[in-house]
Amino acid sequence: GAGVSQSPSNKVTEKGKDVELRCDPISGHTALYWYRQRLGQGLEFLIYFQGNSAPDKSGLPSDRFSAERTGESVSTLTIQRTQQEDSAVYLCASSPGLERDTQYFGPGTRLTVL
Amino acid sequence: KQEVTQIPAALSVPEGENLVLNCSFTDSAIYNLQWFRQDPGKGLTSLLLIQSSQREQTSGRLNASLDKSSGRSTLYIAASQPGDSATYLCAVRKNTGFQKLVFGTGTRLLVSP
Repeated sequence: GAGVSQSPSNKVTEKGKDVELRCDPISGHTALYWYRQRLGQGLEFLIYFQGNSAPDKSGLPSDRFSAERTGESVSTLTIQRTQQEDSAVYLCASSPGLERDTQYFGPGTRLTVL
Repeated sequence: KQEVTQIPAALSVPEGENLVLNCSFTDSAIYNLQWFRQDPGKGLTSLLLIQSSQREQTSGRLNASLDKSSGRSTLYIAASQPGDSATYLCAVRKNTGFQKLVFGTGTRLLVSP
């Protein structure tokens, strides 16, 4: 079946603009994760959604970052007033349910803030 | 705070060589450890997952070992091929609280024909 998809694949924006990144998880997966991968660094956890529970936002770096998920479907990561340090690849992953399940990753969105 | 380190950061080998990638972690209280492969423009693909009670896992030419007490894991790739060229990431999942994955910075592997 279809894997995790993300859009856009690339996004170039000017400093100060808002951006929205989209993730479509694998159908039926109740858990969804967002990660950030800056150049030369490992993946950083941002936020975790599990079903209808309150999301775990402990990894969001600032209040300029927010994410929403409608039910067990699409998620949107929004970055307001983008800064150059926000430039990174943003990866989304989904898993069937439990936190310990294998995560299936999307191809990522490469964000460049000029 | 769990920290995961991977050595070397980059590795270049001729086709056919056997090689070892290293991963170390600072907190041994892990639930499992996972090795991923990342290709440019693509997401991560899970290669091997070792539970904390296990010592190793094998899949084809890949073998991953885990020494939890010393905070180390190795990924052994036998008879490397150009198609193995990618970045290899290890990640550990802690065994308490929210079991998020903590990733290393990766080893970029290039296998030359």
